[in-house]
Amino acid sequence: EAGVVQSPRYKIIEKKQPVAFWCNPISGHNTLYWYLQNLGQGPELLIRYENEEAVDDSQLPKDRFSAERLKGVDSTLKIQPAELGDSAVYLCASSLVRNTEAFFGQGTRLTVV
Amino acid sequence: GENVEQHPSTLSVQEGDSAVIKCTYSDSASNYFPWYKQELGKGPQLIIDIRSNVGEKKDQRIAVTLNKTAKHFSLHITETQPEDSAVYFCAGGNFNKFYFGSGTKLNVKP
Repeated sequence: EAGVVQSPRYKIIEKKQPVAFWCNPISGHNTLYWYLQNLGQGPELLIRYENEEAVDDSQLPKDRFSAERLKGVDSTLKIQPAELGDSAVYLCASSLVRNTEAFFGQGTRLTVV
Repeated sequence: GENVEQHPSTLSVQEGDSAVIKCTYSDSASNYFPWYKQELGKGPQLIIDIRSNVGEKKDQRIAVTLNKTAKHFSLHITETQPEDSAVYFCAGGNFNKFYFGSGTKLNVKP
C-alpha cells in the first residue's frame, strides 16, 4: 500500500514569490493534516481536514497561507507571498477516520532566499 | 493550548544499553500521548502511544509510562540497537490535536 505522497520534496524560492505543496493521502483516509516543522523542532499543526471540510485551521496564518482539499482526497497548501521565516519542512499526514493513527509523508523542504 | 517539554535534547548510549526520554505536559485535560520516531529525511512514524486511562504500555523493546498526577510520561527503549538511532518526539493532547515536544536525538554507538 502506498503511503502519503508529497511533492515536491524540495523547493527553493525567492522571498515574496508564491509556492504550493501537494499531498496525496493514503487511499480511503478521510482525515488529512498539514504540519509545519522548523529545524530542530517538533511538527506544529496548521490545519486538519475531515473529508473536504477544514475542521481546525486555528493555527494557519491566513494572511499568507491557504489550503484546499477538493473532493476530499488530494490537498494543496499555498503560501503567498513567501517570507524568509517560512523556510521549514511542510508535512502532510492522513488517518482513516478521526481517532486513528496518523501516517506522515516525507515532507517538502522549503527554502526561501 | 498544551505545552509539552522534552528532555534530553540529545542522548548517546552504547549498543545494548537502555535509553530513557522524559516529557512533561501542562494541560490536565490531555488524554492521548503518542511517541514518534523520525529518521533523517523522513516523516515521523508512530512507534507507540498511551491513553490517560493506562499507566504503562509495552511493545517488545519499547515501553511508555504515564503519571497523570505529575503530568509526565516517559519512553524506555531496552537493548538498544544502532538502527534505533533517530530523533524521537513525544506529544500530548487529544487524539485529533496533539502538541509535539522539541525532540531527542538518540545516538546508539555500536
